[in-house]
Amino acid sequence: QVQLQESGPGLVKPSETLSLTCSVSGYSIRNGYFWGWIRQPPGKGLEWIGIIYDSGSPSYKPSLKSRVTISLDSSANLFSLELDSMTAADTAVYYCARGLRDCSGGSCYSKIHFDSWGQGTLVTVSS
Amino acid sequence: SYELIQPPSVSVSPGQTASVTCSGDILEDTYASWYQQKPGQSPVLVIYQDDQRSSGFPERFSASTSGNTATLTISGTQAMDEADYYCQAWDNSVIFGGGTKLTVL
Repeated sequence: QVQLQESGPGLVKPSETLSLTCSVSGYSIRNGYFWGWIRQPPGKGLEWIGIIYDSGSPSYKPSLKSRVTISLDSSANLFSLELDSMTAADTAVYYCARGLRDCSGGSCYSKIHFDSWGQGTLVTVSS
Repeated sequence: SYELIQPPSVSVSPGQTASVTCSGDILEDTYASWYQQKPGQSPVLVIYQDDQRSSGFPERFSASTSGNTATLTISGTQAMDEADYYCQAWDNSVIFGGGTKLTVL
């Protein structure tokens, strides 16, 4: 059974870069799924950040695209998130998740859903 | 860009049927998924591809999509079903609805 585990700093200073890692066990990240990041500000709803799959280009939320980088490390079976120029508005629980990639029917994205999630990690932006 | 609209809250009595709606024009062209999130926990997939129930969820959880509205239905609602529910779809980005707090009174 696939398991995902986020790791990274719990506190980031304003203007700094957030770096988070999601370690995946029980499944190879090269086996055809999307791997993504979703965040949730305290008391608010879910916000998608971006996804990536092996050998493919990442896809990012348009409003975050200029600040986000998602990458894969197949040898270590993990993927990472970098978010630049952090502000208080970026304070949130950050989740990593596995997303279905099914290209039947023409689009590889229309059926996307996240079937496995990490436990989440709270990142606070404060000086 | 498209968005998905959910009612902020829905209340239901134990044993009754709860319906949570998710509206958005993109639902006419793509699939809807639903997630359950209990306080302090990660979201859990309930429904995918409009009406496919995820393993681990009982038959009382069902869903359908008609036109631009997806509906999650919980029959015989139990206290343990009290949670936040989010719909999700794809429109050149993953989009989530704002979430609905289901209260079992």
